[in-house]
Amino acid sequence: DSGVTQTPKHLITATGQRVTLRCSPRSGDLSVYWYQQSLDQGLQFLIHYYNGEERAKGNILERFSAQQFPDLHSELNLSSLELGDSALYFCASSVSPGGRSYNEQFFGPGTRLTVL
Amino acid sequence: ELKVEQNPLFLSMQEGKNYTIYCNYSTTSDRLYWYRQDPGKSLESLFVLLSNGAVKQEGRLMASLDTKARLSTLHITAAVHDLSATYFCAVVTPPYTGGTSYGKLTFGQGTILTVHP
Repeated sequence: DSGVTQTPKHLITATGQRVTLRCSPRSGDLSVYWYQQSLDQGLQFLIHYYNGEERAKGNILERFSAQQFPDLHSELNLSSLELGDSALYFCASSVSPGGRSYNEQFFGPGTRLTVL
Repeated sequence: ELKVEQNPLFLSMQEGKNYTIYCNYSTTSDRLYWYRQDPGKSLESLFVLLSNGAVKQEGRLMASLDTKARLSTLHITAAVHDLSATYFCAVVTPPYTGGTSYGKLTFGQGTILTVHP
């Protein structure tokens, strides 16, 4: 158990819908990262927040957005869902802000999203 | 843009044999991670390699990093069935590349390892 929690574990929804995935980092970690894992794209970095502030963006679609709240939990919002958005979504947390700091990331159990 | 390539992508091994998984990356980085993933599960951190020449060992797995060659290896010694999983290497985008992408992990495609009796 990494100490990172994600809810829900599974989510089944229809095309065009909107969902919110939630992540709570390990105690003391200020950074939250979101990743998407799919069969065709592999593991891809989506976005990084540090202490409430967006720090880096990867291959995140405009239909997706995220935020990190004052209690450091983060939410990933996916809207106008398409079949191709079906994937495993992981969040990871680390104590450091990234960059030159030691940056080991600990991964949560993931949310499996199925879009029908 | 940083690219990370693993090979082989599929590895079928007999128990007791040795093998190596290779991880090449395209731009300079001084930080590389190896993760293990069981089917449908999360990623478990195996090794963190922070400098050129770093070597770490845990049980039957040993990882090394050559930053000059931009190459990391994960060596499996005397494989056992419990090692069957998917193994990923991941490289940190270094801070001096500019922009705001530093610190993010770029993953290889993963190596699916199956160990047969």
